Amino acid sequence: GESVGLHLPTLSVQEGDNSIINCAYSNSASDYFIWYKQESGKGPQFIIDIRSNMDKRQGQRVTVLLNKTVKHLSLQIAATQPGDSAVYFCAETYSGNTPLVFGKGTRLSVIA
Amino acid sequence: SAVISQKPSRDICQRGTSLTIQCQVDSQVTMMFWYRQQPGQSLTLIATANQGSEATYESGFVIDKFPISRPNLTFSTLTVSNMSPEDSSIYLCSASDGNTEAFFGQGTRLTVV
Repeated sequence: GESVGLHLPTLSVQEGDNSIINCAYSNSASDYFIWYKQESGKGPQFIIDIRSNMDKRQGQRVTVLLNKTVKHLSLQIAATQPGDSAVYFCAETYSGNTPLVFGKGTRLSVIA
Repeated sequence: SAVISQKPSRDICQRGTSLTIQCQVDSQVTMMFWYRQQPGQSLTLIATANQGSEATYESGFVIDKFPISRPNLTFSTLTVSNMSPEDSSIYLCSASDGNTEAFFGQGTRLTVV
């Protein structure tokens, strides 16, 4: 289930299940979105991106969905593995040369 | 993809002193950024490091406290000046070619005592 921790909301899933991590972004003008994975003690690592002219993009075991109407982004991880345990951040930007603005993040905990 | 090296990876500093963090990218990049990440929280943008001109700071961050250099397209430094315990955080360097994914260094974990 999903719960709010001290700082980050946490999503706990059983190994092998699918995970869905949600993000509400803030700027309706944003046209490029990225999901990052951050493991403990490391910098954020790129997972997948999507541009505003798309509403879905698939990668290896991951899918990003974009709903511009409600400014919502989601990351779906298929067959979640213990190595997927990390904090996941969505990030948004616009106009090509502006810095990324990060969402609050979600901690994914995979139960073996 | 760009590889970003940051150093130091961690440091413990006395209050009132300054620390300079270095960020080296293995290829020329258009844009470099500095972020701060408090434990258990998201990334907050400090500034955009502009090559050949003064950095662009976000609200709440000032040049006197966080001077930034970017002498060329592969290197930048961030100095945390006159440190206090409230500056204890992870500082992250990021690089991008614009309208594409941004890559991150491993971060510098700073503890001010």
